[in-house]
Amino acid sequence: DTGVSQNPRHKITKRGQNVTFRCDPISEHNRLYWYRQTLGQGPEFLTYFQNEAQLEKSRLLSDRFSAERPKGSFSTLEIQRTEQGDSAMYLCASSLETASYYGYTFGSGTRLTVV
Amino acid sequence: GQSLEQPSEVTAVEGAIVQINCTYQTSGFYGLSWYQQHDGGAPTFLSYNALDGLEETGRFSSFLSRSDSYGYLLLQELQMKDSASYFCAVSLDYNQGGKLIFGQGTELSVKP
Repeated sequence: DTGVSQNPRHKITKRGQNVTFRCDPISEHNRLYWYRQTLGQGPEFLTYFQNEAQLEKSRLLSDRFSAERPKGSFSTLEIQRTEQGDSAMYLCASSLETASYYGYTFGSGTRLTVV
Repeated sequence: GQSLEQPSEVTAVEGAIVQINCTYQTSGFYGLSWYQQHDGGAPTFLSYNALDGLEETGRFSSFLSRSDSYGYLLLQELQMKDSASYFCAVSLDYNQGGKLIFGQGTELSVKP
């Protein structure tokens, strides 16, 4: 296992299009988190899963955003009807439930540019 | 609300020691973490403090004072490769999913 994998690394899309990102966590990690990071800012929490259950969604996650983690393995984050304000780096991280306080393993992110 | 404050940028020379401070105001505090992020890269976990005091990991040390809602990251024997952004992050308690609330980051520039 080589860590948390995110695909694609970069995505350029036209405003109004839908996009989907994928995250493959470290296999034994049962917690999976999505964060968003804009230039010059720290990552902001979006949502997290414990196994296949989505336990919390941030107010940042509008109705245009949806995330899934079928079977508690990989996760997808979909943005519908993209807006320019959605341009950001989308980061996925995973951890063991018992170790989530001690640190996550982040993926390299998907950089979204909405034009 | 939840807020963390850290300096926006710090400059130091190779071989020197630098301290990056972080103050926080959060509910459900469990611990304070530090992450390093190079341009275009993933945040990488550096250190974690749940209890007051100093934690040392090689050239990096981190300190926490829960009563002062304050912590710092100390980087010794600075190297050029240490030029990066450094984020403090509060770990929230189990009832809040153990999620992290990040500061805005401190950009460290190491000069020769």
